[in-house]
Amino acid sequence: GAGVSQSPSNKVTEKGKDVELRCDPISGHTALYWYRQRLGQGLEFLIYFQGNSAPDKSGLPSDRFSAERTGESVSTLTIQRTQQEDSAVYLCASRVSGQNQPQHFGDGTRLSIL
Amino acid sequence: GEDVEQSLFLSVREGDSSVINCTYTDSSSTYLYWYKQEPGAGLQLLTYIFSNMDMKQDQRLTVLLNKKDKHLSLRIADTQTGDSAIYFCAADQTGANNLFFGTGTRLTVIP
Repeated sequence: GAGVSQSPSNKVTEKGKDVELRCDPISGHTALYWYRQRLGQGLEFLIYFQGNSAPDKSGLPSDRFSAERTGESVSTLTIQRTQQEDSAVYLCASRVSGQNQPQHFGDGTRLSIL
Repeated sequence: GEDVEQSLFLSVREGDSSVINCTYTDSSSTYLYWYKQEPGAGLQLLTYIFSNMDMKQDQRLTVLLNKKDKHLSLRIADTQTGDSAIYFCAADQTGANNLFFGTGTRLTVIP
């Protein structure tokens, strides 16, 4: 499809397990973002990738969170030793380069930690 | 970082106009955005405005920007039931890679 694709759409796992979330950006979009949206709250920035530059990891809440992206392709967000407070919707967005270019969002992965 | 604030709820009758308000704190913000989120979906870009403009109109949507007061509003004319959703205001910030989002305003349209 033409939009940002995220998988899985829903993930339920037990506390302490590791999870991996995937984002396929729009083709040609050099910038990619991960956000976290807790229930009833706004979006919390996690990490930003721009081409082959070093990622901006300033939003990652703890060292249990990490993300990778190879070039301008797929990105994966990994959460190790999940905690109940990690339950949220994780949204990915991509855009073309240029400050004024808008971010296009995927539908998110709803993560529930039991 | 930037603080972006919105009221949490708004209810309007079908056919009326809706006005969703937003304030932000960083006067250096260059672009301000409105996104719409329907249940179970991601954020859909509705419109955005550059900080040197004070108004932008796009069909039923009108964005007003008061840069002095750091106040942004989104007016939806002839509101329809399909407009029921959460609306997020977002602002960029000089030197930051990400956007800063408000908590969202849940718009409920009453038939």
